Amino acid sequence: SQQGEEDPQALSIQEGENATMNCSYKTSINNLQWYRQNSGRGLVHLILIRSNEREKHSGRLRVTLDTSKKSSSLLITASRAADTASYFCATDVLSFSSGSARQLTFGSGTQLTVLP
Amino acid sequence: EAGVAQSPRYKIIEKRQSVAFWCNPISGHATLYWYQQILGQGPKLLIQFQNNGVVDDSQLPKDRFSAERLKGVDSTLKIQPAKLEDSAVYLCASSYRTSGLTGYNEQFFGPGTRLTVL
Repeated sequence: SQQGEEDPQALSIQEGENATMNCSYKTSINNLQWYRQNSGRGLVHLILIRSNEREKHSGRLRVTLDTSKKSSSLLITASRAADTASYFCATDVLSFSSGSARQLTFGSGTQLTVLP
Repeated sequence: EAGVAQSPRYKIIEKRQSVAFWCNPISGHATLYWYQQILGQGPKLLIQFQNNGVVDDSQLPKDRFSAERLKGVDSTLKIQPAKLEDSAVYLCASSYRTSGLTGYNEQFFGPGTRLTVL
């Protein structure tokens, strides 16, 4: 089952605007990661936030984490047409069914379209 | 450094046929994952290897799917026989180390194999 759920499922904005995507999850996590997937490609890691962090920045990306609400948000500032892609949150958890193996559980993604 | 390699990129087969996918992870990455991504959904883990051992295959439909990583490097995922609902992108990913509470488990993905079952 999918641990994370992104909201909205689809988002369309104009170039230069900011895009905000939200993710909710269900269980305790080690960290939460955001990935981008361009059409027909594999996923690319964007940013990771640890469970004891509340906010993190990387270039035009800003991610927040609220462990009390089990939610995270990804903000992309000054969006560009090249940011058009699907964005997934992934929760990093210990899978006790497999010993101490760490696993990522992905949400269903937000499809972002940036119009030129 | 070279990324995760996968082949083929596309495969079209008829139901009940067999198909195999190949993955070569990033050099030095002990952990290898196979995911299934159905259109419009996020990746779903099928199987996880640590070196040449399986650490989790709880979501692998073992009646038709099999995977191996014999020498702890490259891996093969097989479907036999394929069903219509197996149409998806099969993603391979690798990471440096994923045990215990330390480390960040950042995963590196290959481009995927798009499978169409007719």
